[in-house]
Amino acid sequence: GAGVSQTPSNKVTEKGKYVELRCDPISGHTALYWYRQSLGQGPEFLIYFQGTGAADDSGLPNDRFFAVRPEGSVSTLKIQRTERGDSAVYLCASSRAAENTQYFGPGTRLTVL
Amino acid sequence: AQKITQTQPGMFVQEKEAVTLDCTYDTSDQSYGLFWYKQPSSGEMIFLIYQGSYDEQNATEGRYSLNFQKARKSANLVISASQLGDSAMYFCAIVGAAGNKLTFGGGTRVLVKP
Repeated sequence: GAGVSQTPSNKVTEKGKYVELRCDPISGHTALYWYRQSLGQGPEFLIYFQGTGAADDSGLPNDRFFAVRPEGSVSTLKIQRTERGDSAVYLCASSRAAENTQYFGPGTRLTVL
Repeated sequence: AQKITQTQPGMFVQEKEAVTLDCTYDTSDQSYGLFWYKQPSSGEMIFLIYQGSYDEQNATEGRYSLNFQKARKSANLVISASQLGDSAMYFCAIVGAAGNKLTFGGGTRVLVKP
């Protein structure tokens, strides 16, 4: 079946702009996760959804970052007033339930100029 | 809180030989899970293998095996009969008792030589 998909694959924006990154999880997966991977490092957790609600948003770096999953499927990560330090690959993952293996999408490479 | 340490930033391995990637972890949870992911240059994180903290036998998946030593808090990945396509970054990760977020190590880059 289809894996996790993410759009866009690349996003270049200017400092101060607003961006939205989309994640479409594997069908039937109730848990969805966002991670951020800076160059040369392992991914770092941002937020976790169980169904429509954010069960754990402890990894969001500040209030410029926000994510939604209104219908319990597709999720959007929103970044306001982007800064150059936000440049990274944003990875989305999904799993059947919280304790199951997480399967990752191809990521969105965000570059803030 | 969980922590993963991967001390090998990069390794060369000859094609068809085995390679062991080190991973040590730290957690205060009694129940946890350990994962290995592969990340080729294309960027996608590919799940390889999983070991639960209460699993008595080491996990195996094809050419991948996990050498789980609970007392030493280590979860090394062994790749047997290396192939050129195994060249990639490899990440060890842990999930705690809450069962949600993965904590990753810094990764090990493997380059398989023909």
